Amino acid sequence: AQTVTQSQPEMSVQEAETVTLSCTYDTSESNYYLFWYKQPPSRQMILVIRQEAYKQQNATENRFSVNFQKAAKSFSLKISDSQLGDTAMYFCAFMIFGNQFYFGTGTSLTVIP
Amino acid sequence: GAVVSQHPSRVICKSGTSVKIECRSLDFQATTMFWYRQFPKQSLMLMATSNEGSKATYEQGVEKDKFLINHASLTLSTLTVTSAHPEDSSFYICSARSGQGDDQPQHFGDGTRLSIL
Repeated sequence: AQTVTQSQPEMSVQEAETVTLSCTYDTSESNYYLFWYKQPPSRQMILVIRQEAYKQQNATENRFSVNFQKAAKSFSLKISDSQLGDTAMYFCAFMIFGNQFYFGTGTSLTVIP
Repeated sequence: GAVVSQHPSRVICKSGTSVKIECRSLDFQATTMFWYRQFPKQSLMLMATSNEGSKATYEQGVEKDKFLINHASLTLSTLTVTSAHPEDSSFYICSARSGQGDDQPQHFGDGTRLSIL
């Protein structure tokens, strides 16, 4: 069975500081994509960053970067220089080729001014 | 843990037919359910939010007469794509939440791949 676990239901960080959101997953597949989505109060899901499982290099997108440990099945998200607009729910997900999605239950991040 | 079952996982049908997708919370009461549609580059668009016993709230640009959502019980929400056309082909995902706040965990179904010929 495929599972995604986000063990931190809630987190907070001071503005301008760095925060890391954890995500672990379990799959027997070897080819898949990993994603972090942000869901602000508007409730739209915004793609933050994605990683191809076959790539060893960690993906980065401006202030967002991931630490992808394939053997450990870990995919954490680091947000640097946190901004007030980063306050949102963050969902970790992976997609098996063929487009089957699996999501974690989310981490609620609050950036404190 | 909380499980959301989405059925069917894959549908292939002819243009003009209607397709119903079910989203069930198996071991908790889902006061709120969300329906998403996947777009290219894996972005997910929220289509509508449904609360048990009341009409769904549709996002701007989503045709409520085309995408019928029913949330008749605390464990079941359905999305019916009426008179489906090839442009409706996509991946549809539901999620369910038991709490009221936007910071409450959401539990996602595995998605439904809809292909209209």
